[in-house]
Amino acid sequence: EPEVTQTPSHQVTQMGQEVILRCVPISNHLYFYWYRQILGQKVEFLVSFYNNEISEKSEIFDDQFSVERPDGSNFTLKIRSTKLEDSAMYFCASSGLESDYTQYFGPGTRLTVL
Amino acid sequence: AQSVAQPEDQVNVAEGNPLTVKCTYSVSGNPYLFWYVQYPNRGLQFLLKYITGDNLVKGSYGFEAEFNKSQTSFHLKKPSALVSDSALYFCAVSSIKAAGNKLTFGGGTRVLVKP
Repeated sequence: EPEVTQTPSHQVTQMGQEVILRCVPISNHLYFYWYRQILGQKVEFLVSFYNNEISEKSEIFDDQFSVERPDGSNFTLKIRSTKLEDSAMYFCASSGLESDYTQYFGPGTRLTVL
Repeated sequence: AQSVAQPEDQVNVAEGNPLTVKCTYSVSGNPYLFWYVQYPNRGLQFLLKYITGDNLVKGSYGFEAEFNKSQTSFHLKKPSALVSDSALYFCAVSSIKAAGNKLTFGGGTRVLVKP
């Protein structure tokens, strides 16, 4: 069964450093998302992406964040200058027509900012 | 604005007994409702959804959920719980049946099924 994959599973970085989180969505899906879950809190929407542009973003998704689909398979989230409060689990999701737009999630990347 | 409430942080149930995980929602317009389950160190796995039609929705692993528009609820149920159902369950809502639309999640309910 196709699934969303994410790398790395755990990323540790120093405050102020740039990080790139990578995702490979399900191959025939066209809609991509990033969510995050700070420890002990709700899963929160960050951004959705379609046709090489952002469809919607939350207030969390400020200028420090960016997304990109650099090739036909990867979808990335970049945090330009990490802050302590960026420490969270980041989930990638994808959806497509055949799934009736149900979003399927990857296993997540745990980001720890020191 | 859309929101989801899961009033119970944890639900404890004996194996073989019925399991109910509660969810209420608030959304403008028609709600599109989802349940996901998260096992330790795993991502969110889709269980079931309500888009339109029959108020009783059946999903994976014997789970079902009942949409109640008047009570704005979408409770998850399983007639006979298994120890392997122990996990974190999330209810989510979207206000538009459209691609790229965000999901708003509840805080999650931890289910513990005891042998």
